[in-house]
Amino acid sequence: EPEVTQTPSHQVTQMGQEVILRCVPISNHLYFYWYRQILGQKVEFLVSFYNNEISEKSEIFDDQFSVERPDGSNFTLKIRSTKLEDSAMYFCASSEEGQGWETQYFGPGTRLLVL
Amino acid sequence: GNSVTQMEGPVTLSEEAFLTINCTYTATGYPSLFWYVQYPGEGLQLLLKATKADDKGSNKGFEATYRKETTSFHLEKGSVQVSDSAVYFCALSGNNFNKFYFGSGTKLNVKP
Repeated sequence: EPEVTQTPSHQVTQMGQEVILRCVPISNHLYFYWYRQILGQKVEFLVSFYNNEISEKSEIFDDQFSVERPDGSNFTLKIRSTKLEDSAMYFCASSEEGQGWETQYFGPGTRLLVL
Repeated sequence: GNSVTQMEGPVTLSEEAFLTINCTYTATGYPSLFWYVQYPGEGLQLLLKATKADDKGSNKGFEATYRKETTSFHLEKGSVQVSDSAVYFCALSGNNFNKFYFGSGTKLNVKP
């Protein structure tokens, strides 16, 4: 069964460093998303992406964050200058266009720790 | 606005017990409703969904019915197994670009 994959599974970085989290969505999907889950808290929406542009973003998704689909398969989240409070599990998700569009399929997550 | 409220956990049950995890929502428009499950060390897996009022989603013995009159989508299973131990998330999507709103998650522990 097709699935969303994410790399790396864990990342440790120093405060102020840039990180890039990578995702490979399901191949025929056209909507892409990033969410995060700070330990012990709710899963929070960050951004949605469709047709090579951001569709919606939350107030969390400030200028330090960016997303890109650099090729036909990858979808990345970049944090330019990490802060301690960026430590969280980051989930990528995708959904298809047309029937079934409302269902998102999630990857296994990248656990980011900022020291 | 949109939001999801789940019962606080953890919920601890013995094997073969009946499970109910309550989920209520507020939403504008006509949301789709979902239950996702997160097993230890893994990501979010879709468990079941319902896209309109009175729909019942079901999978692996779990069921939930979309109740518009009570704005609820409670998860039930008649006989839980140890392997059902996980965190369960209720979620809704409510707009064209499908932004999800999640509940806080309910941890289920099933003891042999």
